[in-house]
Amino acid sequence: AQTVTQSQPEMSVQEAETVTLSCTYDTSESDYYLFWYKQPPSRQMILVIRQEAYKQQNATENRFSVNFQKAAKSFSLKISDSQLGDAAMYFCAYRSPPGNQFYFGTGTSLTVIP
Amino acid sequence: DAGVIQSPRHEVTEMGQEVTLRCKPISGHDYLFWYRQTMMRGLELLIYFNNNVPIDDSGMPEDRFSAKMPNASFSTLKIQPSEPRDSAVYFCASSSMGQKLFFGSGTQLSVL
Repeated sequence: AQTVTQSQPEMSVQEAETVTLSCTYDTSESDYYLFWYKQPPSRQMILVIRQEAYKQQNATENRFSVNFQKAAKSFSLKISDSQLGDAAMYFCAYRSPPGNQFYFGTGTSLTVIP
Repeated sequence: DAGVIQSPRHEVTEMGQEVTLRCKPISGHDYLFWYRQTMMRGLELLIYFNNNVPIDDSGMPEDRFSAKMPNASFSTLKIQPSEPRDSAVYFCASSSMGQKLFFGSGTQLSVL
């Protein structure tokens, strides 16, 4: 069974600094998708970034970028120039074509210190 | 598109009562997922549908929980009878194959 592991329950970062959130996953598939979702206190789940496993190039979305290491099954999220609005719970997620389920990690709570 | 629409946003009920949560997925999406979120267990997949057909309900906690999708634009998650341990945020989400998951705003359920 596919599993997604986020080993950092909590992280903090100084405003304007950079922080990296870790995620590893376990799969025997070669074709899949990876996602980072953000959940602020409003509890709305918001997509931050998406990566297709067949793409070697790391995805980027403005201040958000990923370090995708397929062989190591690692998918970390880097937030640059952290802002107060980045404070939220961040979930790593995996989706595999055969079953199309989404598997989520347990989340990392990010605090941004002014 | 209005996005995934869930109702109610909050539900407070007494133990033993029936609870029905509702979801309208995004038009054109052929996958619908029900998740439960708690502090202790995080996001748990309860059940998901493809083209209105339940594909995997192995996450449904027990027979007190049931889910239906009578058509492409509506799904329900029912708990009967409800128990205090069912208190959680319940999310509905929809997607097309290979695409991102769009979440509703969730239903905060409190069972007293």
